[in-house]
Amino acid sequence: QSVLTQPPSVSAAPGQKVTISCSGSYSNIGNNFVAWYQQVPGTVPKLLIYDNNKRPSGIPDRFSGSKSGTSATLDITGLQTGDEAVYYCATWDFGLSVGMFGGGTKLTVL
Amino acid sequence: QVQVVESGGGVVQPGGSLRLSCAASGLTFSSYGMHWVRQAPGKGLEWVAFIRFDGKNGGLYADSAKGRFTISRDESKKTVYLQMNSLGPDDTAVYYCASLDWGGGLDYWGQGTLVAVSS
Repeated sequence: QSVLTQPPSVSAAPGQKVTISCSGSYSNIGNNFVAWYQQVPGTVPKLLIYDNNKRPSGIPDRFSGSKSGTSATLDITGLQTGDEAVYYCATWDFGLSVGMFGGGTKLTVL
Repeated sequence: QVQVVESGGGVVQPGGSLRLSCAASGLTFSSYGMHWVRQAPGKGLEWVAFIRFDGKNGGLYADSAKGRFTISRDESKKTVYLQMNSLGPDDTAVYYCASLDWGGGLDYWGQGTLVAVSS
C-alpha cells in the first residue's frame, strides 16, 4: 500500500473533465515537488506534470496540476479515448529519504 | 538524443543475485542523479533506489530494497548498476533506470529490463 493515496479508478465520458487526487503528508507532498505520469499498459511512463503544475513541452494544456497542503490534483479536460491509461503521482519524502509513487489511478473514458 | 538502456535482467532462482546495468548517453552523465524504479506484473510503479550525481553518501533505498540491493555508478562508463541479492518472488518486475527531476522536469527512462525470480 502506497504512502501516496490515489483513487483506484475514475471514469468520464469523452469531452468531459476528470480529476485525480493524490493525498500524502507533510514530509512528502507538503514539502516537495509533485509530478504526474501517464502510463499506457506495456509502455514507459510519460511525464505530464512536474513542479506541481508545469507541463513539459509537448504536453497539451488539457492536462493541469495543482497542489494544496498535503494533496495534489491532476485535472484532465476535454477527455479523449486516447487518454485511457493509468496515472501516477510522484514525489520525494524528505523524512524517509525515499522517492515514492502513488498507487495509480486507472482512467476509463466511457 | 538522450538514451538510457538497461541490461542484465533474466530468470534467477529465489535467494539468487543479479546485477542490472544502465548505460546513459546524450546527457552529461556526471551531472545527474539516477534512479531505479520497478513495476511488478499488473502492478503500479515502485521507486527502488537513487544515487547522487557524484555517487557520494552511498545510495538511497526503498524499504523493500534496503540491505539487499546496492546502487553504484561508473563515471568512465556512464553506467549505473543495481546489485540485487537475496532475491525473492516479490522482486519479479520490470526494472527501469531513469534520470528524474520532479522539480525541474528532467525525465529520461529506459525501456526496462525484466527480472523474474522463479525456481
